[in-house]
Amino acid sequence: AQSVAQPEDQVNVAEGNPLTVKCTYSVSGNPYLFWYVQYPNRGLQFLLKYITGDNLVKGSYGFEAEFNKSQTSFHLKKPSALVSDSALYFCAVSLRGGYQKVTFGTGTKLQVIP
Amino acid sequence: GAGVSQSPRYKVAKRGQDVALRCDPISGHVSLFWYQQALGQGPEFLTYFQNEAQLDKSGLPSDRFFAERPEGSVSTLKIQRTQQEDSAVYLCASSLVGLDFSGANVLTFGAGSRLTVL
Repeated sequence: AQSVAQPEDQVNVAEGNPLTVKCTYSVSGNPYLFWYVQYPNRGLQFLLKYITGDNLVKGSYGFEAEFNKSQTSFHLKKPSALVSDSALYFCAVSLRGGYQKVTFGTGTKLQVIP
Repeated sequence: GAGVSQSPRYKVAKRGQDVALRCDPISGHVSLFWYQQALGQGPEFLTYFQNEAQLDKSGLPSDRFFAERPEGSVSTLKIQRTQQEDSAVYLCASSLVGLDFSGANVLTFGAGSRLTVL
């Protein structure tokens, strides 16, 4: 079975400071990893994904994430937070090979303080 | 259409009533997923369609839940004899290609249907 853990329910960061939203995963195989963002009353929107290759993945709105196989982590980062980044962030995992459903974490609420 | 459309956006049902939730995926998208998102939780997988074929229904919580996609486009999630624990946001997502090719496909989500069972 595959699973995702997001250990922080909420992360607060001051505008302009770097932000990190943590994610660890558990799979029996090689993963595909994703970050999605959810704004109030909106559907989840894709931010970035890791498939293979370079461990540092760059995505939308200046976000990036680093795949760390030894630590089974895929933390989301941004060098300088904006108030508009305040939202709910979900990490997700899928397995390689054939049909594999996408499993989501419980989400982390990011609050950027002006 | 330009995105994934879900209706109704809000539904209030009395316990025991049947409900039907509709999903209109992006035109041409092969894969379609239904997820259930309870308050304060992440999306939980319910079922997956590739075109009209329901390939995975392992996440459906009981036989009161039924989903269909008869022509490989619009999908309906039906919940019979609703219970209070069914209260949640039901999310639909679609993807251009089937997951036979790659589990790395990006999902495009609709805004969801919020079901409240009284």
